Amino acid sequence: EPEVTQTPSHQVTQMGQEVILRCVPISNHLYFYWYRQILGQKVEFLVSFYNNEISEKSEIFDDQFSVERPDGSNFTLKIRSTKLEDSAMYFCASRSDGITFSGNTIYFGEGSWLTVV
Amino acid sequence: KQEVTQIPAALSVPEGENLVLNCSFTDSAIYNLQWFRQDPGKGLTSLLLIQSSQREQTSGRLNASLDKSSGRSTLYIAASQPGDSATYLCAVNDYKLSFGAGTTVTVRA
Repeated sequence: EPEVTQTPSHQVTQMGQEVILRCVPISNHLYFYWYRQILGQKVEFLVSFYNNEISEKSEIFDDQFSVERPDGSNFTLKIRSTKLEDSAMYFCASRSDGITFSGNTIYFGEGSWLTVV
Repeated sequence: KQEVTQIPAALSVPEGENLVLNCSFTDSAIYNLQWFRQDPGKGLTSLLLIQSSQREQTSGRLNASLDKSSGRSTLYIAASQPGDSATYLCAVNDYKLSFGAGTTVTVRA
């Protein structure tokens, strides 16, 4: 079964360093997302991406964050200067379209644990 | 702002018992609602999607109902098994997913 894959699974970084989290969404999916989950808290929306541009972002997604789809398969989240409070599990997700029933299902990856020290 | 609440926060049942997990949301202007399963330290596995126009959706032992006007959804898991032990998350889609905090289920053998 097709799946969303994320790398790295774990990363420890020093405060102030730049981090890039990588995702390979399901092939032929059109909509891409990043969510995060701070330990013990709810999963939170960060950003959605469609047609090579950001379609919506939350107040969490400030100037420290950026997303990119550098080629036809990868989708990345960059955190420019990490802070302690960025420590969380970051989930990439994708869906195929907004037309068919199955196209509304959002599929998540296994996540990337980011620890900022 | 959409607020999603899941009750109870935790549930422990003996194997074979049916599970009833509740989800409520504050804004009924939604496209759909999705139920996920999350194992400790793992990703989110989609269980069911129920469109805003539907009242019910079934997959195997799982059945989800939706009452959009009252802002409620219920996930039923029939004949629970120890392998069903996990956290179940409800997420409401109004252009983005808004998640509840989850119900952590333990099924005792």
